[in-house]
Amino acid sequence: AQTVTQSQPEMSVQEAETVTLSCTYDTSESDYYLFWYKQPPSRQMILVIRQEAYKQQNATENRFSVNFQKAAKSFSLKISDSQLGDAAMYFCAYRSRTGANSKLTFGKGITLSVRP
Amino acid sequence: ETGVTQSPTHLIKTRGQQVTLRCSSQSGHNTVSWYQQALGQGPQFIFQYYREEENGRGNFPPRFSGLQFPNYSSELNVNALELDDSALYLCASSFIDVYGYTFGSGTRLTVV
Repeated sequence: AQTVTQSQPEMSVQEAETVTLSCTYDTSESDYYLFWYKQPPSRQMILVIRQEAYKQQNATENRFSVNFQKAAKSFSLKISDSQLGDAAMYFCAYRSRTGANSKLTFGKGITLSVRP
Repeated sequence: ETGVTQSPTHLIKTRGQQVTLRCSSQSGHNTVSWYQQALGQGPQFIFQYYREEENGRGNFPPRFSGLQFPNYSSELNVNALELDDSALYLCASSFIDVYGYTFGSGTRLTVV
């Protein structure tokens, strides 16, 4: 079974600064997807960024980028130029690419606060 | 295109009762998944439906059941409610072969 670990329960960043959120995972599979989701107080999970394991290039979406280390099973999220609206819970998630079941396995999440 | 809508937003039930939560999937999505998110935790996969058939289930007892309808709506039913069932229940829809998911805002269930 796959597991996702987010060991930092909380982090804080100054507005306009950069912050990195850590995530590690465990799997015996070689082909899978990894995601970072944002959950603001509105509760809706919002996709921030996704990475396909077979791609060596790290994904980037505007101010958000990842550092994907497949051998180390590490998938960290870097937020540049932090904004007040980035304050939320962030979840790392894993999905197998094989099989019809597209379930997501989530970590416990990290609460990010942004100081003005 | 519309998003995913869940109802009700909040619900209070008594232990032992039954509850039905509803989800209207994004138009065209043929797969719906349900997740339970306890306070301060990450979501846990309950089950997934594809073309009205269950095709995946997490570690939840049979008193958690579901339905998916041809109009893309779905239901999560929980029988014999227990205090530990208190959580946020999230619905997510997608295409079966595409890895994008659209989540609803969830139903907050409190069992007293």
